[in-house]
Amino acid sequence: KNQVEQSPQSLIILEGKNCTLQCNYTVSPFSNLRWYKQDTGRGPVSLTIMTFSENTKSNGRYTATLDADTKQSSLHITASQLSDSASYICVVTINTGTASKLTFGTGTRLQVTL
Amino acid sequence: DAGVIQSPRHEVTEMGQEVTLRCKPISGHDYLFWYRQTMMRGLELLIYFNNNVPIDDSGMPEDRFSAKMPNASFSTLKIQPSEPRDSAVYFCASRPQGFNNSPLHFGNGTRLTVT
Repeated sequence: KNQVEQSPQSLIILEGKNCTLQCNYTVSPFSNLRWYKQDTGRGPVSLTIMTFSENTKSNGRYTATLDADTKQSSLHITASQLSDSASYICVVTINTGTASKLTFGTGTRLQVTL
Repeated sequence: DAGVIQSPRHEVTEMGQEVTLRCKPISGHDYLFWYRQTMMRGLELLIYFNNNVPIDDSGMPEDRFSAKMPNASFSTLKIQPSEPRDSAVYFCASRPQGFNNSPLHFGNGTRLTVT
């Protein structure tokens, strides 16, 4: 079982609509959680980072939430645009004291259509 | 800043051939990572370097894979001999030292197809 689970696996929405992507994790000890956006044929690019004490963080039309108690995060996209079509990857960092380790989700593939 | 630069962008080779992937990290970044991405497994860490020294290569699938970082501005990932199951997109990423919350900066990847 993947220690970082994302849902849905894929999603199709109409331009202008909102959507929410989910990320549940079981890895510990938690250090931070980051959302990446990966356009087709490109490498992932960081959208936002959430640390243990943060509940909500926004980056333009993207808003990430974190519930460290339930080990859940969401990425909400407002007023979607065609350029939002991409894969969104949730990455959890654990810190063992001597090293940091990143655990990647397998991503949600979002398609925004006219 | 040109970002992380990988070459080639695409590589098609026959089973048994040697493949070399190349990466130039962002100047000043002390960490360099090699990842492999497939539809089934997502992004998997193969190996990472700190100040040109390999720190963790536990993700390297088998002895057919090797990676080097001869200097701070260049790294290679070599597969010899290549097999069809090695077909994937290989990403190089870098980040600076001492910033544990800093993001990874990824290149645009090399799409490898082994026939």
